[in-house]
Amino acid sequence: GQQLNQSPQSMFIQEGEDVSMNCTSSSIFNTWLWYKQDPGEGPVLLIALYKAGELTSNGRLTAQFGTTRKDSFLNISASIPSDVGIYFCAGPYNNNDMRFGAGTRLTVKP
Amino acid sequence: DSGVTQTPKHLITATGQRVTLRCSPRSGDLSVYWYQQSLDQGLQFLIHYYNGEERAKGNILERFSAQQFPDLHSELNLSSLELGDSALYFCASSVARTGIGELFFGEGSRLTVL
Repeated sequence: GQQLNQSPQSMFIQEGEDVSMNCTSSSIFNTWLWYKQDPGEGPVLLIALYKAGELTSNGRLTAQFGTTRKDSFLNISASIPSDVGIYFCAGPYNNNDMRFGAGTRLTVKP
Repeated sequence: DSGVTQTPKHLITATGQRVTLRCSPRSGDLSVYWYQQSLDQGLQFLIHYYNGEERAKGNILERFSAQQFPDLHSELNLSSLELGDSALYFCASSVARTGIGELFFGEGSRLTVL
């Protein structure tokens, strides 16, 4: 079945560093979404991508919809302590449900 | 505040028992999704309802069932509980009928099975 592979699984970085994470799919997606989950909370949408090649920013976050439509990337610039959390990529599966990657757990050291 | 309400927030029960988790979607959203998140795991899709009808099933156990009522709230029923069912259960809602669109998540119901 359709799978989302997200990497890296975890990252430990220093405050101020930039972060990159990515997600690949076994099949073509028409939509890529990036969510963040703070500890003890539900995931919250960060960025939505709807077109191949699309590059979208939200503050210090930038995400790209890969041109093959099988991958997406999320970059965080100049990380701060509140960036800590789990970042999930997500995409529609069979147009009837949203599937999520396993997540990238980000730790930011002050 | 996402506008999605889940109750209870915490639930502790014993193996073999049955529990019901409740979700009220955002006003105007017709789609409700249920996800299970075990410790340090990703979000596993369980089931999707749209306007009272089941739209898609994921890896939902036969011991689990769900429904969406005419007022659009949804309930997830978990029966014959096992230790491995301990997890965070999230409900999410969306205005979209299909799986394309922003999902708004509740804060989750944390189930502990002892």
